[in-house]
Amino acid sequence: QQQVKQSPQSLIVQKGGIPIINCAYENTAFDYFPWYQQFPGKGPALLIAIRPDVSEKKEGRFTISFNKSAKQFSLHIMDSQPGDSATYFCAASISGANNLFFGTGTRLTVIP
Amino acid sequence: GAGVSQSPRYKVAKRGQDVALRCDPISGHVSLFWYQQALGQGPEFLTYFQNEAQLDKSGLPSDRFFAERPEGSVSTLKIQRTQQEDSAVYLCASSRSGALGNTIYFGEGSWLTVV
Repeated sequence: QQQVKQSPQSLIVQKGGIPIINCAYENTAFDYFPWYQQFPGKGPALLIAIRPDVSEKKEGRFTISFNKSAKQFSLHIMDSQPGDSATYFCAASISGANNLFFGTGTRLTVIP
Repeated sequence: GAGVSQSPRYKVAKRGQDVALRCDPISGHVSLFWYQQALGQGPEFLTYFQNEAQLDKSGLPSDRFFAERPEGSVSTLKIQRTQQEDSAVYLCASSRSGALGNTIYFGEGSWLTVV
């Protein structure tokens, strides 16, 4: 059973657009929600993370919006660039636990 | 080294063969994780070490999978009698401490193809 559900599977936007990737979870014990970026042939790299005590976190062009009551969180990429083309994974975990539960990934393509 | 180093990067194994995948974590990192990533999927947790102690192996899919980290640094993931369903990228990751709030750094993975 997929602990974290991610959509869409793929996304194509024009340069400067704002792609939005959505994730949903069921386990209310989750309290750490990171996003990872993965380029082909590379391992995932931490992009930004949020805890449920805030509804939004922004780092540079990347913003996480978090809706605790709906058990949903999303990644927004402002002013997207071709270099942002990659696969993005949301994840969730419980503090003190040892494993991250990943979504199935979203392949983002930013067209010049 | 500067990052998590994994070897071999690519491995083709015949079904039934044993394989060993090596991970060199970032120097001084206490925590080490192994994940399995099937094509087009997100990584799935296999096992976790804190120093040399294997504290969680709940994600290992069968008793053919075995991991060790005898001196609390380098780790080896061993797969015995490989099957086609074992074909995946095996990712190693490390972090400075055990708390998941700390950044986990992933290696580039070992791509295993079982034919």
